[in-house]
Amino acid sequence: ELKVEQNPLFLSMQEGKNYTIYCNYSTTSDRLYWYRQDPGKSLESLFVLLSNGAVKQEGRLMASLDTKARLSTLHITAAVHDLSATYFCAVEYGNKLVFGAGTILRVKS
Amino acid sequence: DSGVTQTPKHLITATGQRVTLRCSPRSGDLSVYWYQQSLDQGLQFLIQYYNGEERAKGNILERFSAQQFPDLHSELNLSSLELGDSALYFCASSVAFNEQFFGPGTRLTVL
Repeated sequence: ELKVEQNPLFLSMQEGKNYTIYCNYSTTSDRLYWYRQDPGKSLESLFVLLSNGAVKQEGRLMASLDTKARLSTLHITAAVHDLSATYFCAVEYGNKLVFGAGTILRVKS
Repeated sequence: DSGVTQTPKHLITATGQRVTLRCSPRSGDLSVYWYQQSLDQGLQFLIQYYNGEERAKGNILERFSAQQFPDLHSELNLSSLELGDSALYFCASSVAFNEQFFGPGTRLTVL
C-alpha cells in the first residue's frame, strides 16, 4: 500500500527566509498534488505535478517532482505571513488520493 | 470557490444517531469522492463514485454508506455514530479520474 511521508510536520519560519517541505512516497504514481489548507477551511489546490522533472512556480512557492526518487519538494522563497497554513502533498493511487500528514507552517514577523 | 457544494456546513448530533451529508459536484464532473479529516487519522479517502457507480473504496466503515444519484449529487450516510466519527468530511469532484476539486466540508460533532 502506498505510504506518503511529509517532513517537517511543523515549521516555524521568520519572514523573508527560505525553506523546503519534503514529500516522499513509497510506490510509483502518475500524479502528485500540493494543497493548502487554512484552519477549518477546505483544501485549495496549489500544484499538479505530472511527470519526472516537473517544476511549477506560483508566487513564492515552487514545487518539483522526482519520480525516480519518489520525492517532491515545495520550496518557499522569502516567506511572508500570508503563507501561514497547513500544506499537504497527495499522491494519486488508483482512483484515490493518499495524503501526507501535512506540514503546519507558521511565518513569524 | 471550487464549485463543489456541501451541506450542511456543521452538524452536531448524539452517539447512536444517523446523519446524511450531501454533496453537489462541479457542473460537468462525473466523479465524486468522499474524504474524512480527523486529528488522529489525518485525511483519509472513503469512497468514490463515477456516474452513479461505486468505483473505489477506501477506509470506509461498515456503518457508513454512500450513493450517487442520477443528477450526480452524492450523499454519505453515517449511522450508529460514535464519538470517534467526529471529523471534517470533504467531498471532491473531478471530470473523470483526474484532478479533484474539494468542497468546503461538513464538520460533524458527535456528543
